[in-house]
This record gives sequence, C-alpha cells and structure tokens, in this order.
Amino acid sequence: NAGVTQTPKFQVLKTGQSMTLQCAQDMNHEYMSWYRQDPGMGLRLIHYSVGAGITDQGEVPNGYNVSRSTTEDFPLRLLSAAPSQTSVYFCASTNGGALTEAFFGQGTRLTVV
Amino acid sequence: QQPVQSPQAVILREGEDAVINCSSSKALYSVHWYRQKHGEAPVFLMILLKGGEQKGHEKISASFNEKKQQSSLYLTASQLSYSGTYFCGTEWSDSNYQLIWGAGTKLIIKP
Repeated sequence: NAGVTQTPKFQVLKTGQSMTLQCAQDMNHEYMSWYRQDPGMGLRLIHYSVGAGITDQGEVPNGYNVSRSTTEDFPLRLLSAAPSQTSVYFCASTNGGALTEAFFGQGTRLTVV
Repeated sequence: QQPVQSPQAVILREGEDAVINCSSSKALYSVHWYRQKHGEAPVFLMILLKGGEQKGHEKISASFNEKKQQSSLYLTASQLSYSGTYFCGTEWSDSNYQLIWGAGTKLIIKP
C-alpha cells in the first residue's frame, strides 16, 4: 500500500520557470491538500480539494494552481517560479475532510534560484 | 495568527519526561498533533476535540484545556524514537474547517 506519493523529491528551478509537482494517493480519499513548510512557519495550506472536480484556495494560494480530475491525483502547478517559493511542499489526504487524520507524502524540496 | 508552541526546542535524556504546549488566541474546537522526523513526512499522533477526553497511546498523551485555550502533549519516559519536531494543528470557529499550524517544537532525545 503506497499511501501518498509525491514526485519529484528534489527540484531546482530558475526564476520564471514553471513546473508541476505530482501527488497521487491510493486510499480512495476524497480530501486532498497541498502545504508548504518553511523554517519557523509550520505548515501553510496552499490549495485543497474535497473531491474530483472541486478545488479551493487555502491560506497562501498566490502563484500556484491546482486541478483535480480524478480522486487519486492532485497536481500542484507553479506558474512562474519565484525565489519566495523556495520551500518544502507536502501533499496530504484524508478520508473525512481537513479535520481527520491526514496522511502526508514524503515531500518535495524545491529551490528557486 | 498561528497558535504558539512552547518550548521551541527541548533536549532530554532518554527516560525523561517532556511537555509541549500549543496555545491559541482564539477559541479552539479541536487540536491535532503530529510528529515529523528530519527529512520525513509528518505522522499523525492524535486529535483532541473540545469537550472531549484526554487521549493517549503508549507513553504519549495529550490534554485540552478550554479555559486556557491550550493543548499539552505529554511524553513520558522518552525513548530515542521520540526525537523529531512536534506540530499542533488547531481548528477555530472561523478557520473554515481547515487547520492552522504552529511552528513546531523540536525534541532531541540523547542516550
């Protein structure tokens, strides 16, 4: 049972480049979310989805897009990378909304130069 | 405004006890506790609900103090495997059913 799988694990981008962080879960969870983690800041919610075809903004959505075409996949797109987006990104899923046990992916460490 | 965790870091000898606090400026509905080891994903520990009972498993337990709007995580007779950063996620009445996370408490256990 793979759980939540994120790819890539590491990525270096140049300012202005775009890329997609992949997230897939095999637990048939309806709720999925993307967080960024910065030193001293804890986790901050970027976007979330309560089911296929439904997405919404979190606390820090600017510069990021998401889509949810299937229950399993929830990709995060950086439109035009900026150094301020240097962070560790985590994808998570739950089977009962944001207020139940979350299962996190292993994270993607992104550096924008 | 994120909840405040204290202490920011603590160093213990194996077998010692630790208490980590998570304080909110707003009325809490629930508090979620996770542990993250270096370079790994956060792992769920427990959820405490407003008006609910103190929870725990093995030697890790937590309480919810409504008067203080605070949750405390208790680690008893700490083991080397308890090392990591502990995060609390808080649910408030106006957090739109999302969690607001504290900055974390780093726990180092030495043999």
